[in-house]
Amino acid sequence: EAEVAQSPRYKITEKSQAVAFWCDPISGHATLYWYRQILGQGPELLVQFQDESVVDDSQLPKDRFSAERLKGVDSTLKIQPAELGDSAMYLCASSFPGYYNEQFFGPGTRLTVL
Amino acid sequence: AQSVAQPEDQVNVAEGNPLTVKCTYSVSGNPYLFWYVQYPNRGLQFLLKYITGDNLVKGSYGFEAEFNKSQTSFHLKKPSALVSDSALYFCAVRDGGSQGNLIFGKGTKLSVKP
Repeated sequence: EAEVAQSPRYKITEKSQAVAFWCDPISGHATLYWYRQILGQGPELLVQFQDESVVDDSQLPKDRFSAERLKGVDSTLKIQPAELGDSAMYLCASSFPGYYNEQFFGPGTRLTVL
Repeated sequence: AQSVAQPEDQVNVAEGNPLTVKCTYSVSGNPYLFWYVQYPNRGLQFLLKYITGDNLVKGSYGFEAEFNKSQTSFHLKKPSALVSDSALYFCAVRDGGSQGNLIFGKGTKLSVKP
């Protein structure tokens, strides 16, 4: 069964350092999402791509976060500089285009900022 | 604005007994509702969705959900709980915008005891 791949699974960094997360969606899924999940809460959308274009980044803290999907396949989410409050699980999901389609999630990257 | 509420932080059930995980929603327009499950240190797995049609939706792993428009609820159910069902369950609703992003509840921890 096809799965969304993410790496690394765990990342520990010090504040003010740069971190990057990678996501490879299910083949054929044109829509890709990055979510942040703080412990004890549900995921919150950071950014959504349709192919290589950003269609929603209204909740992305653009002063420190950036995301790209250059060839419309895999994607990278970057944080620079990391802050203590960025400690969370970062989830990537993908889906076929369409309002009613379910999203398929990767295993996530657990970020700890010291 | 669209929202979902999961009124119970935790639900405890004995193995073999029926289980219910509650979700209520608030939407303008038609509700498009989803249930996901999350096992420890894993991403979310899709269980089922309601778009239109029958109020009783059947999903993966023996789960089903009942859509009730008058009570604005979408409760997750299973006739006979398994210990392996122990996990975190999230209800989600489409946000009503053109991109149809998901808005998640805070989650309910299900604990099934032998």
